[in-house]
Amino acid sequence: AQTVTQSQPEMSVQEAETVTLSCTYDTSENNYYLFWYKQPPSRQMILVIRQEAYKQQNATENRFSVNFQKAAKSFSLKISDSQLGDTAMYFCAFMLVSGTYKYIFGTGTRLKVLA
Amino acid sequence: DAGVTQSPTHLIKTRGQHVTLRCSPISGHKSVSWYQQVLGQGPQFIFQYYEKEERGRGNFPDRFSARQFPNYSSELNVNALLLGDSALYLCASSLGQSSYNEQFFGPGTRLTVL
Repeated sequence: AQTVTQSQPEMSVQEAETVTLSCTYDTSENNYYLFWYKQPPSRQMILVIRQEAYKQQNATENRFSVNFQKAAKSFSLKISDSQLGDTAMYFCAFMLVSGTYKYIFGTGTRLKVLA
Repeated sequence: DAGVTQSPTHLIKTRGQHVTLRCSPISGHKSVSWYQQVLGQGPQFIFQYYEKEERGRGNFPDRFSARQFPNYSSELNVNALLLGDSALYLCASSLGQSSYNEQFFGPGTRLTVL
């Protein structure tokens, strides 16, 4: 079975600073996707960034980038130039390429960006 | 285009009752998945439907059931409600059932069981 662990329940960062959210996962499979989702307060979950396990190059989306370490089963999210609108719950998620089409989510990290 | 919509937004039920939650996917999306998000935890997978057939089921009791209609909208039914069923129920839709297809989440239905 696959598991996703987010060891930082809460974090805070000053506006314009950089913050890194941690995620580790466990799987015996080789083909999978990893995701970071953002869930703002009282708003719906949106995809931040996605990484295909077969790609060695780390994914980037504007101010968001990941550090994907496949051997270590680590998938951290770096947010640069943090903005007040980045305040949200961040969930790391895993999905196998084949098999049941379902996300396995971590417990989330609550990020607060301070003015 | 409208995103994924869910109804109702909030719902209060008592133990033992039955509840039906509804989801309308993004136009053109044929896959709908349901997740349960208990306060303070990450979403847990309940069901996935594609082309009106169940394609995946999570570790939930038989009190949970779902279906998908010809227009690809979906209902999640929960019978004999327990206090522990109190949660945010999320619906997500995607174009197909390939894991390459991005899933788009709705705002959720907040269910409170008293």
